Amino acid sequence: IAGITQAPTSQILAAGRRMTLRCTQDMRHNAMYWYRQDLGLGLRLIHYSNTAGTTGKGEVPDGYSVSRANTDDFPLTLASAVPSQTSVYFCASSEFLTPGRQYFGPGTRLTVL
Amino acid sequence: GDSVTQMEGPVTLSEEAFLTINCTYTATGYPSLFWYVQYPGEGLQLLLKATKADDKGSNKGFEATYRKETTSFHLEKGSVQVSDSAVYFCALSDLRGSNYKLTFGKGTLLTVNP
Repeated sequence: IAGITQAPTSQILAAGRRMTLRCTQDMRHNAMYWYRQDLGLGLRLIHYSNTAGTTGKGEVPDGYSVSRANTDDFPLTLASAVPSQTSVYFCASSEFLTPGRQYFGPGTRLTVL
Repeated sequence: GDSVTQMEGPVTLSEEAFLTINCTYTATGYPSLFWYVQYPGEGLQLLLKATKADDKGSNKGFEATYRKETTSFHLEKGSVQVSDSAVYFCALSDLRGSNYKLTFGKGTLLTVNP
């Protein structure tokens, strides 16, 4: 069982470029999440999805968009990257009945120059 | 809104030392409490949890007790090992409010030296 996979592992991106971070889970979890991790700030929720077809905004949604076309995939898109979006991005998932028990992917390290 | 405050690190200990990482929380409902651990270069993984007051979560020698009267969930381990070196995050999930979201503390870096 792979759990959650994220791609790419790392990426260097020029400011203004569009970028999609991919996330796929094979656990059939209802809920999925995107976080960014920054030193001294911990993890901050960007967007989430409770079920396929629905999405919601987290704590820091500006500059990011998501879609949830099916249960397994939850891509995160930066429409026009800016240097402040340099961070490590984690995707996570959880089951409906145990929302606090989240399973995390290995992360994507993104650098915007 | 919900919030989690944990002691700032970094914490540096020698092998076999006693560990305490303090965590306090603010929540409007009846939260479940969690400790997550992040080993170098990896994503977070659940270490332990407690779902109601006075519950004790335990795993891999780590323990934490849900104290509603002090709104705390301190992480303890009696004898740390080098392999425990990681970042530890306290978190809460308030099932009355934001049903599907975790609120994390900022993390505490633990380094254990041989």
